[in-house]
Amino acid sequence: GENVEQHPSTLSVQEGDSAVIKCTYSDSASNYFPWYKQELGKGPQLIIDIRSNVGEKKDQRIAVTLNKTAKHFSLHITETQPEDSAVYFCAASMGSNDYKLSFGAGTTVTVRA
Amino acid sequence: ETGVTQTPRHLVMGMTNKKSLKCEQHLGHNAMYWYKQSAKKPLELMFVYNFKEQTENNSVPSRFSPECPNSSHLFLHLHTLQPEDSALYLCASSQMAPGEQYFGPGTRLTVT
Repeated sequence: GENVEQHPSTLSVQEGDSAVIKCTYSDSASNYFPWYKQELGKGPQLIIDIRSNVGEKKDQRIAVTLNKTAKHFSLHITETQPEDSAVYFCAASMGSNDYKLSFGAGTTVTVRA
Repeated sequence: ETGVTQTPRHLVMGMTNKKSLKCEQHLGHNAMYWYKQSAKKPLELMFVYNFKEQTENNSVPSRFSPECPNSSHLFLHLHTLQPEDSALYLCASSQMAPGEQYFGPGTRLTVT
């Protein structure tokens, strides 16, 4: 099955700086890579996703890059703000089945004011 | 508000109890999921229902029994649980494609 590794497990950044979270996956057939943000007491919320036919996608302050050859993808948050503090999860589809996801263990991001 | 609701939000039960978790989605999706979230571990997919039919049972012990009476409602029936089953249980829904899953807030389960 798919195995997703996520690093780092914790990340502390100064407000205004950038944050980068990296994930690797094992199944070369995976074709869908979403990122979720989970705030305390809430369920994960989709913040951005990317499919295997593109290498980069951007939405305001967040961007995701995908390297299919190396089987890794990254989340970039620029100009971090205190409300970006949360746990972030990467995920990869299990093979070509979009609806079955394998998740990373999560990164706890703390933005220092 | 994601359009996926879960009740109860918190549940404490003894190992001999029987309880049920409920999930409802108001998004018109066709697929619904149960996940288990334990501290410092990846989300674990438990069950998948597609058009009310179970399409995935990820080697989940029989003390967890899912039920999907229609594409908007999903239940997880619990009986004779173990303390290690204490976790946050998340429900999600999606269309078959493009695969975006929307999560509910979860039920925090404590087994005593």
